[in-house]
Amino acid sequence: KNQVEQSPQSLIILEGKNCTLQCNYTVSPFSNLRWYKQDTGRGPVSLTIMTFSENTKSNGRYTATLDADTKQSSLHITASQLSDSASYICVVSAQGGSYIPTFGRGTSLIVHP
Amino acid sequence: EAQVTQNPRYLITVTGKKLTVTCSQNMNHEYMSWYRQDPGLGLRQIYYSMNVEVTDKGDVPEGYKVSRKEKRNFPLILESPSPNQTSLYFCASSSSTERNGYTFGSGTRLTVV
Repeated sequence: KNQVEQSPQSLIILEGKNCTLQCNYTVSPFSNLRWYKQDTGRGPVSLTIMTFSENTKSNGRYTATLDADTKQSSLHITASQLSDSASYICVVSAQGGSYIPTFGRGTSLIVHP
Repeated sequence: EAQVTQNPRYLITVTGKKLTVTCSQNMNHEYMSWYRQDPGLGLRQIYYSMNVEVTDKGDVPEGYKVSRKEKRNFPLILESPSPNQTSLYFCASSSSTERNGYTFGSGTRLTVV
């Protein structure tokens, strides 16, 4: 069964600090992996997308990495800001005809001043 | 502006009273999907549609119906709502050429009393 596990479940950091969120998946055959940011009560918004051949991708202060061999991804946030407080969701899609992605349960990040 | 529009944003209803949550996208996307989000459980797929007149069950379809008569619209129907359907609902769409590149609506918070 395809699964996406995220850790930690929640994280509290001080403004200006860096943090790293983890995503492990068992989706096969792998197509792509996206990180989404979801503000409270709002719809998720895509941050990055990575395919099998990509190891790292950045979007401003967000940097995602992918290790397709170990089936792990991380999202690193640099110099955190209060607006980074949100839930970060890892979503993995398989190759083939199915449109059904596999969602992780998310990591809730709180940035304190 | 490219977007997915859900209505209403908030809805309080009584058990057994039929309701419809509308979803419309202006990006000519083939794929549309409905999710519910509950605390600690993440996003769970209810139904999805790969194109007009093509719908299929997701992970939690019980108690819900959908239709896809037009490409842009994908309403979610609760024929006889029950309190366990109290949740935050999201509609999403994507193109067939960009798997996992979902645009989400702003959400509908439904309370069934």
